[in-house]
Amino acid sequence: GAVVSQHPSWVICKSGTSVKIECRSLDFQATTMFWYRQFPKQSLMLMATSNEGSKATYEQGVEKDKFLINHASLTLSTLTVTSAHPEDSSFYICSARFAGQIETQYFGPGTRLLVL
Amino acid sequence: EDKVVQSPLSLVVHEGDTVTLNCSYEVTNFRSLLWYKQEKKAPTFLFMLTSSGIEKKSGRLSSILDKKELFSILNITATQTGDSAIYLCAGLGLFSGDKIIFGKGTRLHILP
Repeated sequence: GAVVSQHPSWVICKSGTSVKIECRSLDFQATTMFWYRQFPKQSLMLMATSNEGSKATYEQGVEKDKFLINHASLTLSTLTVTSAHPEDSSFYICSARFAGQIETQYFGPGTRLLVL
Repeated sequence: EDKVVQSPLSLVVHEGDTVTLNCSYEVTNFRSLLWYKQEKKAPTFLFMLTSSGIEKKSGRLSSILDKKELFSILNITATQTGDSAIYLCAGLGLFSGDKIIFGKGTRLHILP
């Protein structure tokens, strides 16, 4: 099946720093990528939808200036958590979708962020 | 507002038992109901249900959708400790960004 990778898988940073997380579709062109956040014992919460070459669409309550999303190519989307704070500590998961296959999302393995 | 509600939120059973996980949904322009299994990392796909009354089966897992009652169940028979995971139900609606909306999940723990 299709493979989506994320890098890094783990990151620990100091409060106030920015962290970039990469999401790559390894063997297909992803027209749409999704970014989710999952807090312990909670479900996946969609943060934003990212389409290649256009601005991301953010869900209500997600600060677009804090969570910068760039989808510069059909195989790469990045999420930058700017000026991270301890409450941003979470599990961030991306998923990717082919054009024309709206039901099928391929999930990346996730990135655990811990902000000290 | 679109929502997906799962029950129970957690469940503990003994190995060999059969479990039924529930999912109700309210999704605008509903297209499909999806089930995922999540262990320590990202979710893995189990089933996609689009039509009512047609059971999907994979080994000891099966699922069915009732579009009239806006409901789906996931059955696991002869449970094993490896079935311990969070099971996520998600709804897909068309024309609202084609987003998948997840429920909170059912945390299943199988005792040996």
